[in-house]
Formats: sequence, C-alpha cells, structure tokens
Amino acid sequence: QTVVTQEPSLTVSPGGTVTLTCASSTGAVTGDFSPSWFQQKPGQAPRVLVFATTNKDAGTPARFSGSLLGDKAALTLSGVQPEDEAEYYCVLWYGGVWVFGGGTKLTVL
Amino acid sequence: QVQLKESGPGLVKPSETLSLTCSVSGVSLNSGGSYYCWVRQPPGKGLEYIGFISYSGSTNYNPSLKSRVTISKDTSKNQFSVRLNSVTAADTAFYYCARVGAQWRQSVWGQGALVTVSS
Repeated sequence: QTVVTQEPSLTVSPGGTVTLTCASSTGAVTGDFSPSWFQQKPGQAPRVLVFATTNKDAGTPARFSGSLLGDKAALTLSGVQPEDEAEYYCVLWYGGVWVFGGGTKLTVL
Repeated sequence: QVQLKESGPGLVKPSETLSLTCSVSGVSLNSGGSYYCWVRQPPGKGLEYIGFISYSGSTNYNPSLKSRVTISKDTSKNQFSVRLNSVTAADTAFYYCARVGAQWRQSVWGQGALVTVSS
C-alpha cells in the first residue's frame, strides 16, 4: 500500500520561513507525481495552493512556493503570516490514483 | 462564479448504501477540461481521494474503494453523485465534492457534508 508522508506538525514564528515536505513510500518524488498542495483551516474545505510541483493557483499569495527538494516535494512559506496557521496536505499521482499525505499542522507562534 | 453544494442523508445504517449528490452552479458539467471529484475526511483525520468523473464521462476510482463506489453525473440537472455500498463505521466522514482542472488546478470545493454510519 502506497503511503505519502508529511511532517505531522511544524511551528514557525511570524515572519519566518518554513518548509513542509511530502515523501513517497515508493521512492523519490518527481514531477511525474504532479505534487499539489492544499491548505485547510478548521471548519473549511481544502483550497489548492500549488499544483504540478511549482505552479501557484489563482489567489495563492506569493510567499508560498512549491518545489522538489532532494527526493521529496516541498512547500515553502517565506514571511509567514498568522493567517497561515492551518493544516497542509500534499497529494501525489500514482498513475491511476491520487494519494493524499497525512497532513502537516502548521502552528504560527 | 462556480459553486458546489453536497446534499444527501446525514445518517446511514451499516451495510446500507451511502448516496450523496453535488449540485453545480455557474458552469456546465459538460465544459471541457474539468473533473468532478469526491474526497472524504473522517472527523479529525486526513483527506482520502474517492474518485472522479470527467467532463466526458470517464471515471477513476481509488482502488481501495473501487469495489464499492460509483460516481455518476446527470447533465440535465448539472449534478454529479457518489454511491458507496456496504458501508461501515469506517466510512463515517465529511464528504467533499470538487470541480478541478488537470492536476487540481483551479479547484472549487463544496462546503462538505458529514455522513455518519450508525445503527
């Protein structure tokens, strides 16, 4: 069974920079996995921030950026704002099914 | 403005069939390049992909649910639906419908509907 792994939780100070990662149990994450990133706040539906590794969706603030970092997909937040406190999910394409990661709870403190 | 809204029973008995409908406004289900997805989230837990139906009618399902799930659409009503057979308590979740472009771009989500499986 394919597993997508994210950090369970991260803490960052306002104005700081943090990188969230997304790993695959099958090996290195490449662009072929079309990694996308979602933000979900309590009581709300997820919203897509980044799709296909590096592409920001409409309305995604410039401080969010997607990349490949080593053998993982990554989402970097630069100049973190208090409103960025949320759960973040990545999703990978395995050639027939999308698999979500377990999510990272980002605390801004 | 594209909007989606889930509807259906909030309580389903074990072994019965869960059925939800997503009503879409602001765009036709037949518009090219779009995929109509279902994603679920058990309370307090992470997201799980259920499947999608494309604008052309092709479907894709999560293999872990494939034997129990069907996604269909009714273009005359501009709605799409999910049916999940033989439910258990493990199927209790918020069920979200979403309209997405390729690779989740420009995705628009419904507010989610909580379905509880209990006798």
